[in-house]
Amino acid sequence: GAVVSQHPSWVICKSGTSVKIECRSLDFQATTMFWYRQFPKQSLMLMATSNEGSKATYEQGVEKDKFLINHASLTLSTLTVTSAHPEDSSFYICSAPQGGSSSNEQFFGPGTRLTVL
Amino acid sequence: GENVEQHPSTLSVQEGDSAVIKCTYSDSASNYFPWYKQELGKRPQLIIDIRSNVGEKKDQRIAVTLNKTAKHFSLHITETQPEDSAVYFCADTTGGGNKLTFGTGTQLKVEL
Repeated sequence: GAVVSQHPSWVICKSGTSVKIECRSLDFQATTMFWYRQFPKQSLMLMATSNEGSKATYEQGVEKDKFLINHASLTLSTLTVTSAHPEDSSFYICSAPQGGSSSNEQFFGPGTRLTVL
Repeated sequence: GENVEQHPSTLSVQEGDSAVIKCTYSDSASNYFPWYKQELGKRPQLIIDIRSNVGEKKDQRIAVTLNKTAKHFSLHITETQPEDSAVYFCADTTGGGNKLTFGTGTQLKVEL
């Protein structure tokens, strides 16, 4: 199957700082990538859809100015958590469909554990 | 928006028994229904999926059934083993896209 990587795997930062998380499709091109957030013992909640060459689409209740998404190439999407606060501490996971918007199967990155002190 | 309900939230079975997890969805346009297994701190792992034109699919000890009329689908694990212990999530995609909506998850524990 297709491989998606994330970097970093974990990060600890101080409150008020910004953190960038990278999601890469290693062996396929991804015009669309998805960003999820998962709090402990909860489900994955879709935050936004990252679209190569255009603006991201955010889910209701997700602040687009706080969670900046850039899909600069067909293999890379980045999520920047700006002015992070302790309540942003979570497990952030990206995914990408191998066949573009017409494909159903998602390939998930390994996740990034963010801890905001 | 789309809503996926999942039951039970926790399930404890004896090794060798069967486990069944059920999900219901709200959007009649949903056409793809994957099941994921997630171990602590790891990414979700696709274990089986089914499309809306099929009623049942089986892969060794794992099977999924879909009832489009009732808008529910179920995961069946037979001959459970301790390594099946994990959190299982159902999901669906709606409309013509591939945006996933996840269920709330089931913590499965297989006891020796």
